[in-house]
Amino acid sequence: QKEVEQNSGPLSVPEGAIASLNCTYSDRGSQSFFWYRQYSGKSPELIMSIYSNGDKEDGRFTAQLNKASQYVSLLIRDSQPSDSATYLCAVNRAGGFKTIFGAGTRLFVKA
Amino acid sequence: DTGVSQDPRHKITKRGQNVTFRCDPISEHNRLYWYRQTLGQGPEFLTYFQNEAQLEKSRLLSDRFSAERPKGSFSTLEIQRTEQGDSAMYLCASSLSAWGSVFGPGTRLTVT
Repeated sequence: QKEVEQNSGPLSVPEGAIASLNCTYSDRGSQSFFWYRQYSGKSPELIMSIYSNGDKEDGRFTAQLNKASQYVSLLIRDSQPSDSATYLCAVNRAGGFKTIFGAGTRLFVKA
Repeated sequence: DTGVSQDPRHKITKRGQNVTFRCDPISEHNRLYWYRQTLGQGPEFLTYFQNEAQLEKSRLLSDRFSAERPKGSFSTLEIQRTEQGDSAMYLCASSLSAWGSVFGPGTRLTVT
């Protein structure tokens, strides 16, 4: 079992729709959770971080965390073609420094 | 400060040669990470520095890899006796706390 698992996609949504990206993790001791966006040929860019159960909203992005189910998700509202990228889920263990990344989900927003 | 910088951006080397990469983090960031990324995969953790102390190193790394961060500023990653399997994008990232990292543009290594 991989430590951080994501559906590789591609996930294709029409412009203006809600894109839902999911991530599961195996270490129950994990405490910090991140979503990074990576455009093709570029390095990852942090878009959301979440540390406690529930929802965290920032503009069109909402991160959701359920520690009991070991599940993190990212919702992108009013998806735009410019949101087309690979979205990476990343997890830090409590007291640890090692950030574990999933393989990423490719999102394609159709104009 | 314009962010995390890495040098060189591209490196082509022959198998068996040594290579060294440099990372300059955001000046006020005390945490520095090195990752390796191959096509279709997420970044793979290599090592972590807090100031000048190397606090964690991946068990996946062989003894051919070494990293330093003298004086807690820039960092170098050296790969000795390169192998074709070392071909990848090497990413450096820095952060001020555990709030998520800023990545540099990466160094693309090709071993022929």
